[in-house]
Amino acid sequence: GAVVSQHPSWVICKSGTSVKIECRSLDFQATTMFWYRQFPKQSLMLMATSNEGSKATYEQGVEKDKFLINHASLTLSTLTVTSAHPEDSSFYICSARAGGGLETQYFGPGTRLLVL
Amino acid sequence: GQNIDQPTEMTATEGAIVQINCTYQTSGFNGLFWYQQHAGEAPTFLSYNVLDGLEEKGRFSSFLSRSKGYSYLLLKELQMKDSASYLCATMDSNYQLIWGAGTKLIIKP
Repeated sequence: GAVVSQHPSWVICKSGTSVKIECRSLDFQATTMFWYRQFPKQSLMLMATSNEGSKATYEQGVEKDKFLINHASLTLSTLTVTSAHPEDSSFYICSARAGGGLETQYFGPGTRLLVL
Repeated sequence: GQNIDQPTEMTATEGAIVQINCTYQTSGFNGLFWYQQHAGEAPTFLSYNVLDGLEEKGRFSSFLSRSKGYSYLLLKELQMKDSASYLCATMDSNYQLIWGAGTKLIIKP
């Protein structure tokens, strides 16, 4: 149990385009979903936390107008990188948690974004 | 402030035992997690400790001492597939995970 999927797993796009990444909890309802970014050889960096049906909470330094997050249902959250630039190239990972507190976060397989 | 420290890199031999330490200082404490992350992949959950003591799960064990702000992950009978980064993370009073930078474990034959 506790499977989280992400789509796509790989994206290559031109600078200035927008990219949407989907995160789905396949066998449980995710009250909360988290979006992380990880640059090579660095730790996970939390970008934002989203609760179903409400606006996402963004971490300091993360532009909410650039990284649009929608958590429309208990099994789906999307991250849209708008007007992507080469510096946005990174490994984007979502995680999902069933409850509101102590439950474990389960991670999706990640999406590798390369902006040319 | 909030801070998590773990060694950057460790090397061990196949079949041996290795202990990866993690010390933390966080505002509020709701438990400590260990995750394994292979290169190019997302983290996978290994263990969760919220009470003091040792939790054993097969070849992997995790220990917590809340008074010392200290945890370790113990890996026994090391296999080549255990080569990965091991991430220590604490859950703060807001139920947010605070991540360490990870320990890269290299297993040699």
